[in-house]
Amino acid sequence: GIQVEQSPPDLILQEGANSTLRCNFSDSVNNLQWFHQNPWGQLINLFYIPSGTKQNGRLSATTVATERYSLLYISSSQTTDSGVYFCAVDHSNSGNTPLVFGKGTRLSVIA
Amino acid sequence: DSGVTQTPKHLITATGQRVTLRCSPRSGDLSVYWYQQSLDQGLQFLIQYYNGEERAKGNILERFSAQQFPDLHSELNLSSLELGDSALYFCASSVVERGGIQYFGAGTRLSVL
Repeated sequence: GIQVEQSPPDLILQEGANSTLRCNFSDSVNNLQWFHQNPWGQLINLFYIPSGTKQNGRLSATTVATERYSLLYISSSQTTDSGVYFCAVDHSNSGNTPLVFGKGTRLSVIA
Repeated sequence: DSGVTQTPKHLITATGQRVTLRCSPRSGDLSVYWYQQSLDQGLQFLIQYYNGEERAKGNILERFSAQQFPDLHSELNLSSLELGDSALYFCASSVVERGGIQYFGAGTRLSVL
């Protein structure tokens, strides 16, 4: 099946710093989503981005489908950005459409 | 708020018991997905229904079953529970059968004691 690798696994930032999270995937995809799991366990949709670039406030994401990677940028980080960030893809060549999740990047933003 | 409603939020039960988790998808969404998040396995797909019919199956144990009702809500039944079934169970929904954006509920946290 498709492999999804996220890096770095852990990240500690000072409030106000910028960061880049990476997601590599091993095959072509129909769907790529970025999620933020907050400390209460909720999975919050950040981006639906199978290709191209999107921005939402301090967050932006870019997916280069031909090179099989996606990047999530967080600027001017705040303590509320803490949590785990997941990349998930649905495999183009599979008849099924479940999302395959990476192991996540755990972000801690310190005041 | 994603629009996907899961109940209950928390469930504590004993080994050997049976529980039912409920999911109401976003209005208009026909696909419902169930995922399990455990400490050792991460987030894994269990099963998908589209408009009442099973569409895809992942790593779902035989002790687990699900269905989607005519009003499109879905239930996940977990039986003969074991300690290892303790996890966060998510429901997600989407409009289309394949490839669309999936919106996740807040999850049901199951603790098997």
